[in-house]
Amino acid sequence: QQQVRQSPQSLTVWEGGTTVLTCSYEDSTFNYFPWYQQFPGEGPALLISILSVSDKKEDGRFTTFFNKREKKLSLHIIDSQPGDSATYFCAASDTGNYKYVFGAGTRLKVIA
Amino acid sequence: EAAVTQSPRNKVTVTGGNVTLSCRQTNSHNYMYWYRQDTGHGLRLIHYSYGAGNLQIGDVPDGYKATRTTQEDFFLLLELASPSQTSLYFCASSDAGDGSDYTFGSGTRLLVI
Repeated sequence: QQQVRQSPQSLTVWEGGTTVLTCSYEDSTFNYFPWYQQFPGEGPALLISILSVSDKKEDGRFTTFFNKREKKLSLHIIDSQPGDSATYFCAASDTGNYKYVFGAGTRLKVIA
Repeated sequence: EAAVTQSPRNKVTVTGGNVTLSCRQTNSHNYMYWYRQDTGHGLRLIHYSYGAGNLQIGDVPDGYKATRTTQEDFFLLLELASPSQTSLYFCASSDAGDGSDYTFGSGTRLLVI
Protein backbone atom coordinates (compact mmCIF):
# COMPACT_ATOMS: atom_id res chain seq x y z
CA GLN A 1 0.00 0.00 0.00
CA GLN A 2 1.19 3.46 -0.83
CA GLN A 3 2.40 5.28 2.23
CA VAL A 4 2.95 8.78 3.37
CA ARG A 5 4.92 9.05 6.60
CA GLN A 6 4.44 12.10 8.78
CA SER A 7 6.40 13.30 11.77
CA PRO A 8 6.34 14.17 14.55
CA GLN A 9 3.15 12.62 15.88
CA SER A 10 2.72 15.53 18.25
CA LEU A 11 4.49 18.80 18.89
CA THR A 12 4.32 21.64 21.40
CA VAL A 13 5.64 25.05 20.43
CA TRP A 14 5.79 28.38 22.26
CA GLU A 15 3.81 31.27 20.86
CA GLY A 16 5.96 33.19 18.37
CA GLY A 17 8.12 30.19 17.59
CA THR A 18 8.56 28.34 14.32
CA THR A 19 6.81 25.02 13.77
CA VAL A 20 8.21 22.45 11.34
CA LEU A 21 6.26 19.40 10.26
CA THR A 22 7.65 16.84 7.82
CA CYS A 23 6.38 14.12 5.51
CA SER A 24 8.01 11.57 3.26
CA TYR A 25 6.52 9.41 0.56
CA GLU A 26 7.42 6.43 -1.57
CA ASP A 27 5.48 6.58 -4.81
CA SER A 28 7.37 8.49 -7.50
CA THR A 29 4.16 9.12 -9.41
CA PHE A 30 2.88 11.47 -6.68
CA ASN A 31 3.01 15.03 -7.93
CA TYR A 32 0.54 16.96 -5.80
CA PHE A 33 0.88 17.51 -2.06
CA PRO A 34 -1.77 19.32 -0.03
CA TRP A 35 -1.65 20.05 3.67
CA TYR A 36 -4.88 19.95 5.63
CA GLN A 37 -5.61 21.56 8.99
CA GLN A 38 -8.16 20.06 11.33
CA PHE A 39 -9.61 21.64 14.47
CA PRO A 40 -11.36 19.50 17.08
CA GLY A 41 -14.90 18.63 16.09
CA GLU A 42 -14.40 19.69 12.48
CA GLY A 43 -13.41 18.11 9.23
CA PRO A 44 -9.99 18.77 7.70
CA ALA A 45 -9.69 21.90 5.58
CA LEU A 46 -7.12 22.71 2.93
CA LEU A 47 -4.31 24.89 4.28
CA ILE A 48 -1.75 25.00 1.47
CA SER A 49 -0.68 22.79 -1.39
CA ILE A 50 2.25 22.35 -3.75
CA LEU A 51 2.89 20.70 -7.08
CA SER A 52 6.07 18.73 -7.69
CA VAL A 53 7.25 21.27 -10.26
CA SER A 54 7.78 23.74 -7.41
CA ASP A 55 10.07 23.56 -4.41
CA LYS A 56 8.40 26.20 -2.25
CA LYS A 57 5.03 27.80 -1.76
CA GLU A 58 4.14 30.50 0.72
CA ASP A 59 0.82 31.66 2.10
CA GLY A 60 1.20 34.19 4.88
CA ARG A 61 2.82 32.52 7.88
CA PHE A 62 2.65 29.10 6.25
CA THR A 63 5.27 27.78 3.82
CA THR A 64 5.54 24.34 2.32
CA PHE A 65 8.80 23.01 0.89
CA PHE A 66 9.18 20.12 -1.51
CA ASN A 67 12.29 18.04 -2.23
CA LYS A 68 11.67 15.72 -5.14
CA ARG A 69 15.02 13.97 -4.96
CA GLU A 70 14.55 13.02 -1.32
CA LYS A 71 10.78 12.51 -1.65
CA LYS A 72 10.16 14.78 1.27
CA LEU A 73 8.01 17.78 2.05
CA SER A 74 7.66 20.03 5.02
CA LEU A 75 5.34 22.65 6.45
CA HIS A 76 6.80 25.64 8.27
CA ILE A 77 4.68 27.92 10.41
CA ILE A 78 6.43 31.10 11.49
CA ASP A 79 5.25 33.21 14.44
CA SER A 80 3.11 30.30 15.63
CA GLN A 81 -0.11 31.34 17.39
CA PRO A 82 -2.37 29.53 19.87
CA GLY A 83 -5.02 29.58 17.13
CA ASP A 84 -2.74 27.35 15.05
CA SER A 85 -3.27 24.54 17.55
CA ALA A 86 -4.76 21.78 15.43
CA THR A 87 -3.96 18.49 13.75
CA TYR A 88 -2.12 18.79 10.45
CA PHE A 89 -2.23 16.18 7.71
CA CYS A 90 -0.04 15.97 4.67
CA ALA A 91 -1.39 14.12 1.67
CA ALA A 92 -0.21 13.02 -1.75
CA SER A 93 -1.71 12.13 -5.08
CA ASP A 94 -0.98 12.26 -8.75
CA THR A 95 -3.16 14.73 -10.58
CA GLY A 96 -4.67 12.01 -12.72
CA ASN A 97 -5.93 10.17 -9.67
CA TYR A 98 -8.47 11.73 -7.37
CA LYS A 99 -7.55 9.64 -4.37
CA TYR A 100 -5.33 11.13 -1.75
CA VAL A 101 -3.02 9.15 0.51
CA PHE A 102 -2.88 10.86 3.89
CA GLY A 103 -0.20 10.87 6.51
CA ALA A 104 -1.08 9.92 10.08
CA GLY A 105 -1.21 13.54 11.19
CA THR A 106 0.68 15.80 13.59
CA ARG A 107 -1.10 17.22 16.61
CA LEU A 108 0.26 20.73 17.21
CA LYS A 109 -0.18 22.67 20.42
CA VAL A 110 0.96 26.28 20.60
CA ILE A 111 1.38 27.58 24.12
CA ALA A 112 1.01 31.27 24.94
CA GLU B 1 -21.92 28.30 0.29
CA ALA B 2 -20.76 24.93 -0.97
CA ALA B 3 -20.89 22.34 1.74
CA VAL B 4 -20.69 18.71 2.72
CA THR B 5 -23.22 17.69 5.36
CA GLN B 6 -23.00 14.45 7.27
CA SER B 7 -25.58 12.78 9.47
CA PRO B 8 -25.88 11.67 12.13
CA ARG B 9 -23.18 13.55 14.04
CA ASN B 10 -22.90 10.76 16.60
CA LYS B 11 -24.12 7.17 16.54
CA VAL B 12 -24.01 4.30 18.99
CA THR B 13 -24.88 0.79 17.86
CA VAL B 14 -24.44 -2.74 19.12
CA THR B 15 -22.19 -5.38 17.62
CA GLY B 16 -23.98 -6.95 14.67
CA GLY B 17 -26.18 -3.93 14.19
CA ASN B 18 -27.02 -2.19 10.96
CA VAL B 19 -25.83 1.39 10.46
CA THR B 20 -26.16 3.88 7.63
CA LEU B 21 -24.11 7.06 7.51
CA SER B 22 -25.34 9.78 5.19
CA CYS B 23 -23.52 12.47 3.26
CA ARG B 24 -24.89 15.23 1.05
CA GLN B 25 -22.84 17.74 -0.91
CA THR B 26 -24.02 20.95 -2.52
CA ASN B 27 -20.74 21.61 -4.35
CA SER B 28 -21.84 20.10 -7.67
CA HIS B 29 -18.74 17.92 -7.36
CA ASN B 30 -18.44 14.65 -9.22
CA TYR B 31 -16.28 12.78 -6.73
CA MET B 32 -17.31 11.76 -3.24
CA TYR B 33 -15.33 9.83 -0.67
CA TRP B 34 -15.73 8.06 2.64
CA TYR B 35 -12.75 8.06 5.02
CA ARG B 36 -12.27 6.79 8.51
CA GLN B 37 -9.95 8.59 10.91
CA ASP B 38 -8.17 6.71 13.66
CA THR B 39 -5.33 7.82 15.89
CA GLY B 40 -2.02 6.72 14.45
CA HIS B 41 -3.51 5.97 11.05
CA GLY B 42 -4.70 9.32 9.84
CA LEU B 43 -7.40 9.23 7.19
CA ARG B 44 -7.95 5.98 5.35
CA LEU B 45 -10.12 5.67 2.25
CA ILE B 46 -13.04 3.25 2.50
CA HIS B 47 -14.98 3.81 -0.73
CA TYR B 48 -15.37 6.54 -3.30
CA SER B 49 -17.52 7.39 -6.28
CA TYR B 50 -17.24 9.52 -9.38
CA GLY B 51 -20.91 9.85 -10.04
CA ALA B 52 -24.42 8.61 -9.36
CA GLY B 53 -24.53 4.83 -9.49
CA ASN B 54 -20.75 4.49 -9.48
CA LEU B 55 -18.74 2.92 -6.67
CA GLN B 56 -15.01 2.39 -6.33
CA ILE B 57 -13.26 0.38 -3.66
CA GLY B 58 -10.85 2.19 -1.42
CA ASP B 59 -7.99 0.99 0.73
CA VAL B 60 -9.91 -0.35 3.75
CA PRO B 61 -13.26 -1.57 2.33
CA ASP B 62 -13.82 -4.71 4.39
CA GLY B 63 -17.08 -4.63 6.31
CA TYR B 64 -18.38 -1.58 4.46
CA LYS B 65 -20.75 -1.04 1.58
CA ALA B 66 -21.52 2.26 -0.07
CA THR B 67 -24.08 3.60 -2.47
CA ARG B 68 -24.21 6.83 -4.50
CA THR B 69 -27.87 7.46 -5.23
CA THR B 70 -27.53 10.93 -6.78
CA GLN B 71 -24.73 13.34 -7.51
CA GLU B 72 -25.42 14.89 -4.12
CA ASP B 73 -25.90 11.85 -1.89
CA PHE B 74 -23.41 9.18 -0.81
CA PHE B 75 -24.17 6.61 1.87
CA LEU B 76 -21.93 4.31 3.87
CA LEU B 77 -23.48 1.07 5.12
CA LEU B 78 -22.28 -1.16 7.92
CA GLU B 79 -24.52 -4.22 7.80
CA LEU B 80 -22.93 -6.18 10.66
CA ALA B 81 -21.15 -3.58 12.73
CA SER B 82 -18.12 -4.67 14.74
CA PRO B 83 -16.20 -2.89 17.52
CA SER B 84 -13.26 -2.49 15.11
CA GLN B 85 -15.45 -0.11 13.13
CA THR B 86 -15.64 2.31 16.02
CA SER B 87 -14.14 5.39 14.45
CA LEU B 88 -14.62 8.93 13.19
CA TYR B 89 -15.98 8.88 9.66
CA PHE B 90 -15.57 11.70 7.17
CA CYS B 91 -17.22 12.28 3.86
CA ALA B 92 -15.57 14.52 1.28
CA SER B 93 -16.22 15.75 -2.23
CA SER B 94 -14.02 17.02 -5.03
CA ASP B 95 -14.41 18.21 -8.56
CA ALA B 96 -13.30 16.12 -11.53
CA GLY B 97 -10.80 18.81 -12.41
CA ASP B 98 -7.05 18.86 -12.07
CA GLY B 99 -6.93 16.93 -8.82
CA SER B 100 -8.79 19.68 -7.04
CA ASP B 101 -8.97 19.62 -3.34
CA TYR B 102 -11.38 17.97 -1.05
CA THR B 103 -14.18 19.59 0.88
CA PHE B 104 -14.80 17.58 4.03
CA GLY B 105 -17.89 17.23 6.14
CA SER B 106 -17.80 17.64 9.91
CA GLY B 107 -17.67 13.91 10.58
CA THR B 108 -19.76 11.18 12.19
CA ARG B 109 -18.47 9.60 15.35
CA LEU B 110 -19.54 5.96 15.50
CA LEU B 111 -19.29 3.77 18.58
CA VAL B 112 -19.95 0.04 18.25
CA ILE B 113 -20.46 -1.62 21.65
